[in-house]
Amino acid sequence: EAGVAQSPRYKIIEKRQSVAFWCNPISGHATLYWYQQILGQGPKLLIQFQNNGVVDDSQLPKDRFSAERLKGVDSTLKIQPAKLEDSAVYLCASSLMGWRSYNEQFFGPGTRLTVL
Amino acid sequence: AQTVTQSQPEMSVQEAETVTLSCTYDTSESDYYLFWYKQPPSRQMILVIRQEAYKQQNATENRFSVNFQKAAKSFSLKISDSQLGDAAMYFCAYKRADGNQFYFGTGTSLTVIP
Repeated sequence: EAGVAQSPRYKIIEKRQSVAFWCNPISGHATLYWYQQILGQGPKLLIQFQNNGVVDDSQLPKDRFSAERLKGVDSTLKIQPAKLEDSAVYLCASSLMGWRSYNEQFFGPGTRLTVL
Repeated sequence: AQTVTQSQPEMSVQEAETVTLSCTYDTSESDYYLFWYKQPPSRQMILVIRQEAYKQQNATENRFSVNFQKAAKSFSLKISDSQLGDAAMYFCAYKRADGNQFYFGTGTSLTVIP
């Protein structure tokens, strides 16, 4: 079974530039998560999708971050414009279901973003 | 809000020995899940072990076991017969049974000494 795919693996941009990350979850997984992991910290949830609907985006900085999951499969996370404090690893994870049940999250390799 | 605390930023263990990683959490819920995740350097995060709060019996997965103390809100991970491949960041995480979010601690970096 193929795992969660993410691209690019690394990205370096200047502040105020835009950047987009892509995630392809495990086939059949309805729930998709985007996390931000700043160096020395644990992952922090940015947004959670159930199929193509948003379940939780309470910690997403909506003035600069956006995410979509068209057709309930792939997802993109965009930052526009980027700030220095956005430097982090962005993790995508998927699970069969997330709401009112436990299903294991499977994580992708992450995208390491450096904002100069 | 739920918080997860890992008070040991770094730990080391001799190969073949046993090490215990600590985790405490804060919640007013009675039904929840607790997890330990492993994140090797430059590799994907994977689930090591999980515990349902309603179960009194401590979870065990091969060399990995937990000590779940619900009243004390403590959830430690014991790694027996440590191997070089166990070297990684270990994250403790919490999830309400009826909630969406996973809350992660700040992690413990485990070094295994040959």
